[in-house]
Amino acid sequence: EPEVTQTPSHQVTQMGQEVILRCVPISNHLYFYWYRQILGQKVEFLVSFYNNEISEKSEIFDDQFSVERPDGSNFTLKIRSTKLEDSAMYFCASKLGRGRSDGNTIYFGEGSWLTVV
Amino acid sequence: AQSVSQHNHHVILSEAASLELGCNYSYGGTVNLFWYVQYPGQHLQLLLKYFSGDPLVKGIKGFEAEFIKSKFSFNLRKPSVQWSDTAEYFCAVTAASGGSYIPTFGRGTSLIVHP
Repeated sequence: EPEVTQTPSHQVTQMGQEVILRCVPISNHLYFYWYRQILGQKVEFLVSFYNNEISEKSEIFDDQFSVERPDGSNFTLKIRSTKLEDSAMYFCASKLGRGRSDGNTIYFGEGSWLTVV
Repeated sequence: AQSVSQHNHHVILSEAASLELGCNYSYGGTVNLFWYVQYPGQHLQLLLKYFSGDPLVKGIKGFEAEFIKSKFSFNLRKPSVQWSDTAEYFCAVTAASGGSYIPTFGRGTSLIVHP
């Protein structure tokens, strides 16, 4: 079964450093997402991406965050200057389409665990 | 925008006990509903989903959920839990038409099953 893959699985970085988390969504999917989960808390939406642009973003997704799809397969999340509170599991997800069908099922990667020290 | 609430944050059961985890959503339009499971140290995996049709949905590993539109609920059930069901369970909703198509998650329910 096709799957969403993420790298790295775990990264430790110093506060203030830039981090890039990489994701390869399922190949025919059109909608891409980043979510994060701080330890012990709920899964929070960060941003959605469709047709090569951000379609929605949450208030968490401030100017230190950016996303891009540089080559048609990878979907990256960049955190420009990491803070301690950015420590979390970051999940990439993708789905095929919208509406009332299987295309609206969102599939998740295994997550990238980011620790900021 | 839609929202989801899961009332039970922590549930502890013995093996063979029956399970019901509550999920209520708020959204005035048509929705798609999902339950995801997250085993310790692993990623979110889809347990089951509801789009339309029979409101009683069967998923993997013996789980099922019932969509009750009048109650805006999509509770997850399993008649007899196993130790291996120990995990975090998340209910999610997305608008099927209109509104935001962004899947919104509940806070999650931590289930611990004692052998």
